[in-house]
Amino acid sequence: QKEVEQNSGPLSVPEGAIASLNCTYSDRVSQSFFWYRQYSGKSPELIMSIYSNGDKEDGRFTAQLNKASQYVSLLIRDSQPSDSATYLCLMIRQGAQKLVFGQGTRLTINP
Amino acid sequence: EAGVTQSPTHLIKTRGQQATLRCSPISGHTSVYWYQQALGLGLQFLLWYDEGEERNRGNFPPRFSGRQFPNYSSELNVNALELEDSALYLCASSLGLNEKLFFGSGTQLSVL
Repeated sequence: QKEVEQNSGPLSVPEGAIASLNCTYSDRVSQSFFWYRQYSGKSPELIMSIYSNGDKEDGRFTAQLNKASQYVSLLIRDSQPSDSATYLCLMIRQGAQKLVFGQGTRLTINP
Repeated sequence: EAGVTQSPTHLIKTRGQQATLRCSPISGHTSVYWYQQALGLGLQFLLWYDEGEERNRGNFPPRFSGRQFPNYSSELNVNALELEDSALYLCASSLGLNEKLFFGSGTQLSVL
């Protein structure tokens, strides 16, 4: 089992709808999580970080962390064609020198 | 404030040659990370440096090596280049452990 797993997609969502991206992890040790967006041919850019259970909102983006169920998700409200990209989940294991990226989910927003 | 800068943007080498890629972190960042991203694939972790020391290494052969200088900039060296080394090499920096990573624009390495 991979340490961090994401559905590679592609995930197609109509414009204006909510896009839901998920990431599961296998290690129960306390973690920090980050969501990145990567456009084709570009480098990843940070969208959000989340460190504790619950929801964290930033504009159209909401990150959700559930440590009991070992998943982290990213919701994008009012999806726009410009949101079409690959979304990467990054886990950092606190207290250890370990960072793990998921393989990324390709999201397409259809006008 | 300048972001993470990488040079060169593009690098073309032939099989068997050596490549040197450079990275300057964001001012104040002490950790530097190197990733390889082959076309259409995910990020593969290469190396992590912090305060001048190698902290972790991914599952790559020893011909991939690097170092971090006293000013926290970093260099990635790839010896005996192989065709499959062709990829985008991304450098990222952070303030330290558990901190968010910021990426540079990458170096596109092509091995002919």
